[in-house]
Amino acid sequence: EAQVTQNPRYLITVTGKKLTVTCSQNMNHEYMSWYRQDPGLGLRQIYYSMNVEVTDKGDVPEGYKVSRKEKRNFPLILESPSPNQTSLYFCASSLGSGLSGRKLFFGSGTQLSVL
Amino acid sequence: AQTVTQSQPEMSVQEAETVTLSCTYDTSENNYYLFWYKQPPSRQMILVIRQEAYKQQNATENRFSVNFQKAAKSFSLKISDSQLGDTAMYFCAFMLQGAQKLVFGQGTRLTINP
Repeated sequence: EAQVTQNPRYLITVTGKKLTVTCSQNMNHEYMSWYRQDPGLGLRQIYYSMNVEVTDKGDVPEGYKVSRKEKRNFPLILESPSPNQTSLYFCASSLGSGLSGRKLFFGSGTQLSVL
Repeated sequence: AQTVTQSQPEMSVQEAETVTLSCTYDTSENNYYLFWYKQPPSRQMILVIRQEAYKQQNATENRFSVNFQKAAKSFSLKISDSQLGDTAMYFCAFMLQGAQKLVFGQGTRLTINP
């Protein structure tokens, strides 16, 4: 089954404790990205990757890191989480070109709380 | 920069009624895509419908249709014969041609009452 697998689904942590949210896709998609969802703001892109070893900042990259060492994986790293990073996070992947390639496949989301 | 605005934070209708969700966007570009996503309480993001800006014909998917007014930069979603399972948060989203970033609106929480 084609899917984007994101873990964990829920995470509670404390300020400053490094954490990683994993994301993996099994569709051989070129593009992967991370979004955060906040009430009243919708979803905003954090980082994206166009291929292995190619990443770039989205609209809200501060406080986050990513890496793309393998095509299928795109982890999100919070080196020193702060309470303002409490949010619902989504990983997404897409094929690339054309309208069908613009369809993003989303993971099931990670609800992060930073105390 | 592109922006997407959904002016209705919440809406509520009776089952079987028709409901229209509003969305406006701002861009100086001519080639782009527009989407509506549904997010039920499970938090899953589900693509409802999509439209290419160069196509004048409005997209339809079963009970879901859009009214795309390019000059007015408007992209509303109409849900016909609404069902209890349509209860969800709905997001309007924009993507430039050649890009992979979705720009989302704030969302509209839709409740279908029995």
